[in-house]
Amino acid sequence: NAGVTQTPKFQVLKTGQSMTLQCAQDMNHEYMSWYRQDPGMGLRLIHYSVGAGITDQGEVPNGYNVSRSTTEDFPLRLLSAAPSQTSVYFCASSYSGLGLVQFFGPGTRLTVL
Amino acid sequence: SQQGEEDPQALSIQEGENATMNCSYKTSINNLQWYRQNSGRGLVHLILIRSNEREKHSGRLRVTLDTSKKSSSLLITASRAADTASYFCATDAGSGGSNYKLTFGKGTLLTVNP
Repeated sequence: NAGVTQTPKFQVLKTGQSMTLQCAQDMNHEYMSWYRQDPGMGLRLIHYSVGAGITDQGEVPNGYNVSRSTTEDFPLRLLSAAPSQTSVYFCASSYSGLGLVQFFGPGTRLTVL
Repeated sequence: SQQGEEDPQALSIQEGENATMNCSYKTSINNLQWYRQNSGRGLVHLILIRSNEREKHSGRLRVTLDTSKKSSSLLITASRAADTASYFCATDAGSGGSNYKLTFGKGTLLTVNP
């Protein structure tokens, strides 16, 4: 099993550009989440999904869109990148039988100029 | 807002010593988890303790939970240089809130000097 994979590993954008961060898991987990990690702020939840076709907002959803068309994939879209979105983004998956134990991907480091 | 807050923010010890990190949270929970993050990597789950448990062990890790004080501690015994990492606690929303979401604290940076 590859676990949770994220692409790309690094990305530089200009203000106003859009892009999609990819996340995939091969563990058949129903829950998937996106977090951002900023220095001194810990991890903050952006969006999450409890199954294909079901998504909801987390703590910091503004400027991001998600969709979940399959169990495996949970892409995160930046609609119009802003410097405040410079961060490290982590995708995670889990299932209810584990009490929400999260399996994390390796992260995407995004810089918005 | 952050549910869990770790203390201290940073901790530096010598190899072989024990390291203790604390986590405080604000609302009722179903369970509390601890994660480790090595520099530049994703988080890795260490241990989960349920709200009806008071203590749990896993190898060199010992976690305690005091729901009356809304606090938890993570003890790493006989630390090694490889334990150098950031450690985060994470809580769910407990009763009355969505239990699909975890809230992470800001973490404790542990440095173990050889």
